[in-house]
Amino acid sequence: ETGVTQTPRHLVMGMTNKKSLKCEQHLGHNAMYWYKQSAKKPLELMFVYNFKEQTENNSVPSRFSPECPNSSHLFLHLHTLQPEDSALYLCASSHPGLEQETQYFGPGTRLLVL
Amino acid sequence: GDSVTQMEGPVTLSEEAFLTINCTYTATGYPSLFWYVQYPGEGLQLLLKATKADDKGSNKGFEATYRKETTSFHLEKGSVQVSDSAVYFCALSAAAQKLVFGQGTRLTINP
Repeated sequence: ETGVTQTPRHLVMGMTNKKSLKCEQHLGHNAMYWYKQSAKKPLELMFVYNFKEQTENNSVPSRFSPECPNSSHLFLHLHTLQPEDSALYLCASSHPGLEQETQYFGPGTRLLVL
Repeated sequence: GDSVTQMEGPVTLSEEAFLTINCTYTATGYPSLFWYVQYPGEGLQLLLKATKADDKGSNKGFEATYRKETTSFHLEKGSVQVSDSAVYFCALSAAAQKLVFGQGTRLTINP
């Protein structure tokens, strides 16, 4: 499945570093999402973008900064993270109005914060 | 609020065994229901879905029926294979763009 791609697949960073996660969808969708998957916890929705506009911020700390330059690309900028932010970060996309509720996920970026 | 409860894992079966993973939900309104699968080292893949009561979703030999009266969406497969080893997530969508996931059930199939 190559409909939603994410880079990098793995990332190790220190607490003072700045890095960015990238997501690209090739499905013609207009909505994109960031999720966090931590061990032993349900998936947590972080952000939702519709037609490049942020429509949901699920009380995410400001050290996570999303950016959506167009409907196909989504970034998550990371700075001064904490070790508890180590997790799998998943991107997803969907097509509002057509199979509106079905979200398609990328392979994720596994992040380790030291 | 809306919630999904899955049977606790891990679940370990032998190849060709019958599989059931239980999923029940709590929601206002009439949600769509989903099963996603996550293979080791990968993201979530949509396995099947059902959008209204009594619908049956099916894919790759897996089936689940939307049971409104019991608020359930149990996942079944008649004969599992080693390649089915993965984590399975039940989810509901009760509002636009709002997926609520269960905690996941890890399935291991031994040859």
